[in-house]
Amino acid sequence: DAGVTQSPTHLIKTRGQHVTLRCSPISGHKSVSWYQQVLGQGPQFIFQYYEKEERGRGNFPDRFSARQFPNYSSELNVNALLLGDSALYLCASSPQRGGQETQYFGPGTRLLVL
Amino acid sequence: AQTVTQSQPEMSVQEAETVTLSCTYDTSESNYYLFWYKQPPSRQMILVIRQEAYKQQNATENRFSVNFQKAAKSFSLKISDSQLGDTAMYFCAFIGTNFGNEKLTFGTGTRLTIIP
Repeated sequence: DAGVTQSPTHLIKTRGQHVTLRCSPISGHKSVSWYQQVLGQGPQFIFQYYEKEERGRGNFPDRFSARQFPNYSSELNVNALLLGDSALYLCASSPQRGGQETQYFGPGTRLLVL
Repeated sequence: AQTVTQSQPEMSVQEAETVTLSCTYDTSESNYYLFWYKQPPSRQMILVIRQEAYKQQNATENRFSVNFQKAAKSFSLKISDSQLGDTAMYFCAFIGTNFGNEKLTFGTGTRLTIIP
């Protein structure tokens, strides 16, 4: 079975632009979470979506938004990009919501903001 | 809010030796799960091992085992017979079970290098 997939793998944007990152969960998984990993740090939680609804949000500004589609894939949108948004963006999926569900990660999207 | 602390930024060990990575956490939740994830240079975050807090028995996965001390809030990872492919960043992570708080909280990571 295919694992979590993310696109694109790399992205270069300039300050003020908008970006959309995409994630396809493991087949059968209904929950998708997004994390931001700045170089040299552990991932930080951004959003969790389950059954197309937002179930959790981390401490990120409103420039960050996301959605989940009927096929459980997800998009992360970031508006008005700042230099500090440069990071690896990781998507993780799990079968259901809940802390008892192990989250499986995709390979990430490396975003560079110039 | 929970916190996860990894106090060893970098470690190195000879191939075939045993190495232990440390992790401590803080939480007020009574039921939770702990994980060790591995992130090689390819950057894919890979699950190494998982521990359920209500289980006293330490989890084991082949060469990987944990020492879970719930009272001390300690969760260390032992890698036996280390291999070159074990070279990676290792992250300790915590997740609670309260609805609305089902997010992984990660430590800052330990960079492990296996020396041939």
